[in-house]
Order: sequence, then C-alpha cells, then structure tokens
Amino acid sequence: AQTVTQSQPEMSVQEAETVTLSCTYDTSENNYYLFWYKQPPSRQMILVIRQEAYKQQNATENRFSVNFQKAAKSFSLKISDSQLGDTAMYFCAFTTDMNRDDKIIFGKGTRLHILP
Amino acid sequence: DAEITQSPRHKITETGRQVTLACHQTWNHNNMFWYRQDLGHGLRLIHYSYGVQDTNKGEVSDGYSVSRSNTEDLPLTLESAASSQTSVYFCASSESGRNYGYTFGSGTRLTVV
Repeated sequence: AQTVTQSQPEMSVQEAETVTLSCTYDTSENNYYLFWYKQPPSRQMILVIRQEAYKQQNATENRFSVNFQKAAKSFSLKISDSQLGDTAMYFCAFTTDMNRDDKIIFGKGTRLHILP
Repeated sequence: DAEITQSPRHKITETGRQVTLACHQTWNHNNMFWYRQDLGHGLRLIHYSYGVQDTNKGEVSDGYSVSRSNTEDLPLTLESAASSQTSVYFCASSESGRNYGYTFGSGTRLTVV
C-alpha cells in the first residue's frame, strides 16, 4: 500500500528560527510527485511546494525548501527564518500516476506553532 | 478569476437526515475529489470523478454518494447522516495528467447531532 508518514504530530519553534518537518513515503512507483500543503487557521489548503521525483534538484520557494532523498523515500520541508504566519498544519502528500488518475495521498499532518 | 467554491461553510444537521454539500469549480478541470479531514487521520478520500457521468469510490465512501452531471459541479450527499460523519469536508479539483496538485475549496464543517 502507498502511504505517507509524518512522524511529528506537533512542533513549536521560536520566530526567526529554522524548522524542519519530516515526511517519509512508501511506493513501488518510480515516477511520482510530492507536495507540501499548508493549512492555516483559516482552514484553506495552500500548496507550498512541489517536487517531481525524477528531478534530483531540491525544490525551493522563497523561505521554503525540501530535502528530497529518493532512495530513502524521504521528503522533508525546511522553513527558514520562520514567521508567525507560518503557524499552521502542514501536510505531506504524493501522487504516483502520470495520467488521468491524480489521486493524492496525504499524511496525517504536523501542527507547527511559531512562537513570538 | 477561476475558483472552486464550497457551500455551506458550516452546517449542523440531525442524525438520519440527508445532507448535500455543494462544490462548484470554474477552472474547467476534469478531475474533482472529495476528502474528509479528521484529527489524527489527515485527509481521506471519499469519492472522485474524472469527468461527466464518471464517479469512483475512495477509501471512506460508505454512507456517501456523488454525481457528476456537468464539468463544474460535484455535490456530495450523505444519505443518512451519522455522528461519525461529523468532520470537515474538502472539495478539490485538478487538471488531468499535469500532477500540479489540487486546487482546494475552503471546506465545509459538518456537525451531525
């Protein structure tokens, strides 16, 4: 079965610090896509970053970057210079199919608190 | 601007009642999905559709149904609401074959009393 595991249910860090959220996944596929979604208290689901498994270069989006280790099936999210607005639930997710089946499998989430 | 909207944002209903949650998207996406979000479970797939007249069951489909009569809408119906269906429901859509991730609606919080 394809699964996504987020081992940290909850984390807290001080504002301006760097924090890393862990994610591992299990799949027998070779081509897949990985995502991190942010869900702030407003409940809206926001795509933070996307990684294509066949690309070795780690994706970055401003203060957000990933450490993608394909052999280890690991996909961690690093938030640099954390801000109060980064307080949210973060979901790791992936989809394995290249064609019409775009079903995404989500982890259970990590609740991140940025402390002033 | 294109968008995906869910209604209502909040709803309280009684056990045994039929409830329909609306989802409407103007992205012209073929793929639409319904998930439920529960603490400790993340997001779990209920039903999904790849186009008009196409519907498929997800991992937690019991007690739910969907229908797709046009590209824009995928309403989710709870046939006979149960307390176990108290949850936050998200609708999402995506463009076929691009794997860019979903565009999500803002969710519906449903409470069954």
